[in-house]
Amino acid sequence: ILNVEQSPQSLHVQEGDSTNFTCSFPSSNFYALHWYRWETAKSPEALFVMTLNGDEKKKGRISATLNTKEGYSYLYIKGSQPEDSATYLCASSNFGNEKLTFGTGTRLTIIP
Amino acid sequence: DTGVSQNPRHKITKRGQNVTFRCDPISEHNRLYWYRQTLGQGPEFLTYFQNEAQLEKSRLLSDRFSAERPKGSFSTLEIQRTEQGDSAMYLCASSSAPSGGPSYEQYFGPGTRLTVT
Repeated sequence: ILNVEQSPQSLHVQEGDSTNFTCSFPSSNFYALHWYRWETAKSPEALFVMTLNGDEKKKGRISATLNTKEGYSYLYIKGSQPEDSATYLCASSNFGNEKLTFGTGTRLTIIP
Repeated sequence: DTGVSQNPRHKITKRGQNVTFRCDPISEHNRLYWYRQTLGQGPEFLTYFQNEAQLEKSRLLSDRFSAERPKGSFSTLEIQRTEQGDSAMYLCASSSAPSGGPSYEQYFGPGTRLTVT
């Protein structure tokens, strides 16, 4: 994997259902994996930063896991609510390099 | 100070004009970053500063683009002789890191949406 890739590109989920998306990233020289939530007309909001293989983080109904050996991360949302509608971006960074390399995002729409 | 701020939020300009955007980072954050997002893409790195020093520039940053952070606080991004391809969302982020060490989390502003007609 040379670039950061996210799937699916978009997703419609019924309110109350749970869902998850995938982020794949280059595993060589990996430093950190970031998840952001970006609502229209607002700033991208940092959700999680993970660095260690096997890391799992949780914030309310949202959680994320990290596999640095195979280069993927999952974001899970349990019991989706309308306020979860947003674009979810993941980005990776490497040792010795400050820049974040982003995927194209997963656009999530929660159907009431 | 509640976060990173950017001005203006929207800018419409005619091709060939110069534009300047401003970013005010979170107080005391020593690192400041500029990214650009075009339609259907994720944000792409443009440049970053540690204090007032510009430490890295992407190849995306052509000679029509210049960024400054003169006193190590706010930053400006200027685009000269704008082209339609410059139409994008320009995002600024800041972080705090020990001198010479890696930063951890970048906090983003709401962006400036540029439309070149």
